[in-house]
Amino acid sequence: DAMVIQNPRYQVTQFGKPVTLSCSQTLNHNVMYWYQQKSSQAPKLLFHYYDKDFNNEADTPDNFQSRRPNTSFCFLDIRSPGLGDAAMYLCATSRWWGQTDTQYFGPGTRLTVL
Amino acid sequence: DAKTTQPNSMESNEEEPVHLPCNHSTISGTDYIHWYRQLPSQGPEYVIHGLTSNVNNRMASLAIAEDRKSSTLILHRATLRDAAVYYCILSMETSGSRLTFGEGTQLTVNP
Repeated sequence: DAMVIQNPRYQVTQFGKPVTLSCSQTLNHNVMYWYQQKSSQAPKLLFHYYDKDFNNEADTPDNFQSRRPNTSFCFLDIRSPGLGDAAMYLCATSRWWGQTDTQYFGPGTRLTVL
Repeated sequence: DAKTTQPNSMESNEEEPVHLPCNHSTISGTDYIHWYRQLPSQGPEYVIHGLTSNVNNRMASLAIAEDRKSSTLILHRATLRDAAVYYCILSMETSGSRLTFGEGTQLTVNP
């Protein structure tokens, strides 16, 4: 089945130690998204890629960056994780950047910061 | 962005219909209404979307008020697997496929 895959499902890092989360998709979709979901809160969009074009949300901290080396893969880099960055990180895709385009989500990576 | 208001939680019994309400009184004429749900420990999944007319798919039905200021997601026969947080989200014409999630409704299904 075509899907959105996130690895690892659980990631533990130390305060201030850079960490990279990965996402891959077999849907061949043009748009990939990263969301942050803190405990008992709704998902919050951090940024998205339309093909190779990176689009940052206005309130996404500089500590968060992303790379998309090809259509299938997208990475979330947290340069210096703080305790407040502990959250579930969700990757999603959509075929186009259209008002009615469905987003397909991966299972998420739960990040713990010690 | 136009905002949505949903009850924090609802309960239902298994095999009974569930009506999940959403208020969006500031909706504009070109805003679409989307519903996603998030099962425990999973990413959100698409349920249904609509503009003006009622919509049906294999998962649910979406009933949209004539003035579009409210909508209702209908699960025709709730199962235990339908226990999830249900998000009602508006998408603006100028915002592409951006989803701004609100707090959603936690649906509990009792056996």
